[in-house]
Amino acid sequence: ETGVTQTPRHLVMGMTNKKSLKCEQHLGHNAMYWYKQSAKKPLELMFVYNFKEQTENNSVPSRFSPECPNSSHLFLHLHTLQPEDSALYLCASSQVGQSYEQYFGPGTRLTVT
Amino acid sequence: GQQVMQIPQYQHVQEGEDFTTYCNSSTTLSNIQWYKQRPGGHPVFLIQLVKSGEVKKQKRLTFQFGEAKKNSSLHITATQTTDVGTYFCAWYSWGKLQFGAGTQVVVTP
Repeated sequence: ETGVTQTPRHLVMGMTNKKSLKCEQHLGHNAMYWYKQSAKKPLELMFVYNFKEQTENNSVPSRFSPECPNSSHLFLHLHTLQPEDSALYLCASSQVGQSYEQYFGPGTRLTVT
Repeated sequence: GQQVMQIPQYQHVQEGEDFTTYCNSSTTLSNIQWYKQRPGGHPVFLIQLVKSGEVKKQKRLTFQFGEAKKNSSLHITATQTTDVGTYFCAWYSWGKLQFGAGTQVVVTP
């Protein structure tokens, strides 16, 4: 499935590093999302972009900074992370609206050391 | 506030047996979606239910939306090893898609 791609697939970073996660969707959707999935926790919605505009910031710490340059690309910039930020970060896309399913990318497995 | 419980949290199933996972809400849901996440994979959309009492089938999977639109179930018949994974229900609340905690299914041969 190549509808939504994410890079890198795995990332190990120190607490003082700066890195970026990239997501690209090839489905013609106009909404994109970042989720965090930690072990034994439900999927946590982080950010929502509709038509490139951020419409949701789910109380995410400022060390996570999203960027959506166009409807097909989404970035998550990371800096001065904490070990508890280690998780699977999933990108998803959909059409805008409450009757559409979301398509997920394969995720980036992030480890903060 | 709205509370949605997904039960059971874990389900061990013998290959060939049937099982059911449930999603129960304290309030009426406009629609409900089901996703499956294989071990090491990402959530994949399975189905959406919108109408009261709606039943949809996908091969060995049967999805149902309750008459009051407050609960939903996923029933799998003749479980196979390919059914292993975590099944999530999801619903819209305040314009955001919310996910249940999931039912982790383990299949033993």
